[in-house]
Amino acid sequence: DAGVTQSPTHLIKTRGQQVTLRCSPKSGHDTVSWYQQALGQGPQFIFQYYEEEERQRGNFPDRFSGHQFPNYSSELNVNALLLGDSALYLCASSLSWGIEEAFFGQGTRLTVV
Amino acid sequence: DAKTTQPTSMDCAEGRAANLPCNHSTISGNEYVYWYRQIHSQGPQYIIHGLKNNETNEMASLIITEDRKSSTLILPHATLRDTAVYYCIVRPYSGGYQKVTFGTGTKLQVIP
Repeated sequence: DAGVTQSPTHLIKTRGQQVTLRCSPKSGHDTVSWYQQALGQGPQFIFQYYEEEERQRGNFPDRFSGHQFPNYSSELNVNALLLGDSALYLCASSLSWGIEEAFFGQGTRLTVV
Repeated sequence: DAKTTQPTSMDCAEGRAANLPCNHSTISGNEYVYWYRQIHSQGPQYIIHGLKNNETNEMASLIITEDRKSSTLILPHATLRDTAVYYCIVRPYSGGYQKVTFGTGTKLQVIP
């Protein structure tokens, strides 16, 4: 079982550009959540996808959008990148039912210059 | 979501027990206590969770007070590899969806 996999691992973008990050959930998991972690801070919840729909959203602007595919994999898109978007982006997968823990990927380190 | 309060940092001697406290005084009856840890620049790793009974697994023990307003994560024999930021989280069980809200965590430094 490969667990949660994220790609790419590192990324450098220029202000104003757009970026797409990808996540494959743990086998059997149907729910994907995305988090942003700035240096020295705890992860901040961005949004969560289940059945290809956004189910919950944190306090992030509309520049942050996502998608979930029928195979449960997910993408995080960020438009009009700002320097402040530089962070570690984490994907977590879980089951939509029960109380099992969420499993996290290793993250994508995004640097905006 | 209920908020949690944790000390910013703690030190522990290698081989000794590490006891990490967490206050969650506004926890609701259906909220679970979860602990995760994050080793530098890696994704958070699940450790343990509980509702109201004490729990133990191969990694750690979780002691929850009777009033559920606080808990303690115990690493029985800390090693250098346990140096990490430890997050205490309370999560509502609502419709099956899991939203995990992290605080600032406790930075545990295990000292040789």
